[in-house]
Amino acid sequence: DTGVSQDPRHKITKRGQNVTFRCDPISEHNRLYWYRQTLGQGPEFLTYFQNEAQLEKSRLLSDRFSAERPKGSFSTLEIQRTEQGDSAMYLCASSSGTVNEKLFFGSGTQLSVL
Amino acid sequence: GENVEQHPSTLSVQEGDSAVIKCTYSDSASNYFPWYKQELGKGPQLIIDIRSNVGEKKDQRIAVTLNKTAKHFSLHITETQPEDSAVYFCAASTLYNFNKFYFGSGTKLNVKP
Repeated sequence: DTGVSQDPRHKITKRGQNVTFRCDPISEHNRLYWYRQTLGQGPEFLTYFQNEAQLEKSRLLSDRFSAERPKGSFSTLEIQRTEQGDSAMYLCASSSGTVNEKLFFGSGTQLSVL
Repeated sequence: GENVEQHPSTLSVQEGDSAVIKCTYSDSASNYFPWYKQELGKGPQLIIDIRSNVGEKKDQRIAVTLNKTAKHFSLHITETQPEDSAVYFCAASTLYNFNKFYFGSGTKLNVKP
């Protein structure tokens, strides 16, 4: 068990560019989550996957955001045409998928949009 | 949806003293309440959790209490140490939507040596 891994740790981009983040969950976990955290706030739910199926998306996830988990293992979160308001920490978490199961977070990707 | 409020936003204590962080929630269907510790540049780390069928849970120097009637839960840290300094988040999830966690806004704890 190596924990939840996220890459890159930091990303600086110019407004209008596309960015993609990767998350590798704990290997035996079938649920994977994306959260967003802005400075001084708690994490906010974006979306989650049960295996490869994306089962829920928050209204925070505009049409510029897309997430995939093609083989039910790692996941990618892409933001198209980035805006300064997208600057935040993007956190990935995973769980084994039972009711009220513990959620384990990665270290996050800090995105700065200039 | 669920609304979780947390206070205080900052808390400064002397090493060895106790620290208490409080959270309230709005949805009476919430039944799982984890607490996370987040250090600078890292993701939140689960430190303790409690389910609605339990009123109190303790793990060494940390404990969590839950009052379902009043819809509030608290984190207690005793004999604080400088390494306890971090941001602490409470969270809640419901039985009907247990995949979605609602987080409080965080408490920055500073333990002064």
